[in-house]
Amino acid sequence: QKEVEQNSGPLSVPEGAIASLNCTYSDRGSQSFFWYRQYSGKSPELIMSIYSNGDQEDGRFTAQLNKASQYVSLLIRDSQPSDSATYLCAVSGNTGKLIFGQGTTLQVKP
Amino acid sequence: NAGVTQTPKFRILKIGQSMTLQCAQDMNHNYMYWYRQDPGMGLKLIYYSVGAGITDKGEVPNGYNVSRSTTEDFPLRLELAAPSQTSVYFCASRSKDRSGEQYFGPGTRLTVT
Repeated sequence: QKEVEQNSGPLSVPEGAIASLNCTYSDRGSQSFFWYRQYSGKSPELIMSIYSNGDQEDGRFTAQLNKASQYVSLLIRDSQPSDSATYLCAVSGNTGKLIFGQGTTLQVKP
Repeated sequence: NAGVTQTPKFRILKIGQSMTLQCAQDMNHNYMYWYRQDPGMGLKLIYYSVGAGITDKGEVPNGYNVSRSTTEDFPLRLELAAPSQTSVYFCASRSKDRSGEQYFGPGTRLTVT
């Protein structure tokens, strides 16, 4: 079983819709959870962090965490073509090292 | 601030050759990391460092070596290159108190033929 799992996609949504990206993790001791965005041919950049159960909102982005279900999600409201990218879920335990999922490719169609 | 810089951007190696990928950061970050990313895959940790003089293995260290003589620089050495090392290599750094907030360099695309 992979430590951090994501559906590789592609996930295709129309412009203006809500995109929902999901991630599950295997280590119950994981403490911190992150979403990175990676445009094609570019390096990852951090877009969201979440540390406790519930929702964390930043503009059009909402991260959701459910530790009991070992589940993290990212919602993107009012999706734009510029949101088309690969979204990497990353999980950190007490070592401080990040474990990355394989990423979900999002395509937002005008 | 330049952030995290990496050189070269691209490189083609023949099997058995060696090379060093350079990484530098100007944010005074203690923690530095080397990852590789294969097509359609996430990032795999090769080596990391928590400060000058301290390095440790990550998930996929075989075939690589690192050193950290200064806070700014964290070079990755490939010895006896193999086709399995064809990948994109990213260097990243972070401050001590921001465990998940890693800043990535632009990457080095390496092909071994």
